[in-house]
Amino acid sequence: EAQVTQNPRYLITVTGKKLTVTCSQNMNHEYMSWYRQDPGLGLRQIYYSMNVEVTDKGDVPEGYKVSRKEKRNFPLILESPSPNQTSLYFCASSLWTNEKLFFGSGTQLSVL
Amino acid sequence: GIQVEQSPPDLILQEGANSTLRCNFSDSVNNLQWFHQNPWGQLINLFYIPSGTKQNGRLSATTVATERYSLLYISSSQTTDSGVYFCAVRNQAGTALIFGKGTTLSVSS
Repeated sequence: EAQVTQNPRYLITVTGKKLTVTCSQNMNHEYMSWYRQDPGLGLRQIYYSMNVEVTDKGDVPEGYKVSRKEKRNFPLILESPSPNQTSLYFCASSLWTNEKLFFGSGTQLSVL
Repeated sequence: GIQVEQSPPDLILQEGANSTLRCNFSDSVNNLQWFHQNPWGQLINLFYIPSGTKQNGRLSATTVATERYSLLYISSSQTTDSGVYFCAVRNQAGTALIFGKGTTLSVSS
């Protein structure tokens, strides 16, 4: 089944404890992206990747890192999480940038 | 940057009713998509519709790019249609989708 897989679905952590949210797609998509969703602020892009080893900042990249060593994987890294990074996170992918976008199931992160 | 506005912000329906959701965008775009966020938070792509009309079961969408709007039609609504409906357009750099604030739909039986 074609899908974007995110893990974990829920995560509670404490300030400063490094964490990684994994994202994998099995559709051979070139483009991958991370969004966060917050009440009143909507969906905002964190980082995106056009291809392997090619990543760039979105609208709200501060406090996040990404890597794209393989086409299928695009992990999101929070090296020192803070409470203002409490949010619902989505990974997404599409064949190219101007194609239908598919989202993962989301990761609800709480930073205490 | 491109602005995306959706209306109405909230919609309450009885099961079986029809509805129309609207999405206006501020600039010419060549990529418009409709999503449904279900009560469990999952975002499902309903339509990729840069122009014209598409139908998928009880749902259909129309985009008139020259007039900068898109419409999502839901016919014979069911309780499972509840959730938030977002439209989104590609930014001018082609690197991200810009989302509207959404229409929250509640369908009761």
